[in-house]
Amino acid sequence: DIQLTQSPSSLSASIGDRVTITCRTSQTVGGNLNWYQHKSGKPPKVLIHATSHVQIGVPSRFSGTGSGTEFTLTISNLQPEDFATYYCQQSYNAPPYTFGQGTKLEIK
Amino acid sequence: VQLEESGGGLAQPGGSLRLSCEGSGFIFRSYDINWVRQAPGKGLEWISYITSSGSSISYADSVKGRFTISRDNARNTLYLQMNSLRAEDTGIYYCARDRVAVAPMDVWGKGTTVVVSS
Repeated sequence: DIQLTQSPSSLSASIGDRVTITCRTSQTVGGNLNWYQHKSGKPPKVLIHATSHVQIGVPSRFSGTGSGTEFTLTISNLQPEDFATYYCQQSYNAPPYTFGQGTKLEIK
Repeated sequence: VQLEESGGGLAQPGGSLRLSCEGSGFIFRSYDINWVRQAPGKGLEWISYITSSGSSISYADSVKGRFTISRDNARNTLYLQMNSLRAEDTGIYYCARDRVAVAPMDVWGKGTTVVVSS
């Protein structure tokens, strides 16, 4: 099974900051790496699919890059509604479609 | 476009529950569906997947042999039969669709809560 490791596990940032979250996979995922935002009491929401494709309706301050086994989610100009937990997830080839352990983004 | 889970509740260790997930506003039979759960204080865990036709099914090791996924496309409904429940199965259970296997889970239900306790 493919393992996903996110870093950091948590971070504190201020409104207007730029933050980056990293996801490393234990083997190649063919670029099939997705990012989700999860707020307490709500279902997860996909932000980015296939490494860098931003979902329709997601603000342009969210971006994704990566290749091979290392991927990043960047949030520019942090807004109050961005404070949440973020997960990477791989959808390569066959199940299990594992998630990273999550990164909790908190207000400084 | 929505998915709506039901069937959660309190079960005793060793007991059973059956979750349902009804889709509406889209062509249910055209989408693969996943079950994803979140234990209290933990992250998201993918646990099961079924293709649009039901011809291919997968499970996480943590539920293999205890949980069974199925679907009834005529009723636009997905099921998760949960047997031999354990305390560690406690959590919020979400169903989520994807268009094809490599696609992201783009529509999620609001979740249903399962508590396994004596």
